[in-house]
Amino acid sequence: LAKTTQPISMDSYEGQEVNITCSHNNIATNDYITWYQQFPSQGPRFIIQGYKTKVTNEVASLFIPADRKSSTLSLPRVSLSDTAVYYCLVGGRMDSSYKLIFGSGTRLLVRP
Amino acid sequence: GAVVSQHPSRVICKSGTSVKIECRSLDFQATTMFWYRQFPKQSLMLMATSNEGSKATYEQGVEKDKFLINHASLTLSTLTVTSAHPEDSSFYICSARDRRSGVNYGYTFGSGTRLTVV
Repeated sequence: LAKTTQPISMDSYEGQEVNITCSHNNIATNDYITWYQQFPSQGPRFIIQGYKTKVTNEVASLFIPADRKSSTLSLPRVSLSDTAVYYCLVGGRMDSSYKLIFGSGTRLLVRP
Repeated sequence: GAVVSQHPSRVICKSGTSVKIECRSLDFQATTMFWYRQFPKQSLMLMATSNEGSKATYEQGVEKDKFLINHASLTLSTLTVTSAHPEDSSFYICSARDRRSGVNYGYTFGSGTRLTVV
């Protein structure tokens, strides 16, 4: 499993765009990049997943450069409710026994 | 989308007693479920992989006799913390995979169980 490195914490203000970068230098050819969001005392929630270039959904965008050794989660115009821990995971779509291993995550604090 | 229900959401038990936590996949069958533990301000730590109809696979350092896992059906896995002690107090989270889903590998997480041992 590719190891990921992300900033421990980030601060932002309401209405700003937040970009969280994750490094995964040892990503394998079959690996996808997935981001999860976790609020206190809740289970993680899927945000977005991508393999290369750019992926966008209703809540976020994911930018992946050509070498795929890093990825950036972009949250447009954050609100106070976006305060959470964000996890970047990399791994392949393998069989049903594939395990999701979480790194340290990035604790995002959105201030008024 | 896939829903995983976890119960109870919080439980307080006395030291030395056992506590059972249930994880159910509500609208899909899950041959594999996963159990995590999370201490305050820390990341999720995978404890074990629960396989339907067979023994669970435990991660290194996790006591299998302490944390009993049963996956008797395709929609239910249980984690029993036996002879609980205060150091077992933690947030326990389960996850199940809906193989029909092509996004997110199909993994969905339960809402977690806050265990407090007094």
